[in-house]
Amino acid sequence: GIQVEQSPPDLILQEGANSTLRCNFSDSVNNLQWFHQNPWGQLINLFYIPSGTKQNGRLSATTVATERYSLLYISSSQTTDSGVYFCAVQGGSEKLVFGKGTKLTVNP
Amino acid sequence: NAGVMQNPRHLVRRRGQEARLRCSPMKGHSHVYWYRQLPEEGLKFMVYLQKENIIDESGMPKERFSAEFPKEGPSILRIQQVVRGDSAAYFCASSTARGGYTFGSGTRLTVV
Repeated sequence: GIQVEQSPPDLILQEGANSTLRCNFSDSVNNLQWFHQNPWGQLINLFYIPSGTKQNGRLSATTVATERYSLLYISSSQTTDSGVYFCAVQGGSEKLVFGKGTKLTVNP
Repeated sequence: NAGVMQNPRHLVRRRGQEARLRCSPMKGHSHVYWYRQLPEEGLKFMVYLQKENIIDESGMPKERFSAEFPKEGPSILRIQQVVRGDSAAYFCASSTARGGYTFGSGTRLTVV
């Protein structure tokens, strides 16, 4: 099945810094989503982005499907951005395959 | 649109009891998925259902676990004779046929 690798596994930032999170996947995909799991465990859908670039406020994402990777950009980070960021892909089957996540800590 | 609704949010069961987790999909969504998240890990697929049909249960443990999505009412994930290793967060998601998942807030099961 599809393999999903996320990097870095952990990231510590000072408030106001920018960051880039990466997601590599091993096969062509029909769907790619980025999620934020906040410290209370809630899973928030950030982007549905099987290809191209999208922006939502301080967050943006780019997926280059032909090269099998996606990037999540966080600009001017805030303490509320802390949590775990998951990339998940959907290949030939209906199920989403999740990476292990990037744990982001933003310090004041 | 209330989103994907899961209940209860927290569930405590003693070893050997049954756990029943409920999920109501978003309005207009006919596909339901259950995922399990163990502490400090990503989400693992368990089962994919459409109304009255199990489409893919390749991630379900062979024993004690079952899922249904009846014609009327929520989807149910049932765990019989729970053990400590079943303690986890269980997430439900729904989608349309075109894709794009929306997740519920999860049920955190603790087995004591």
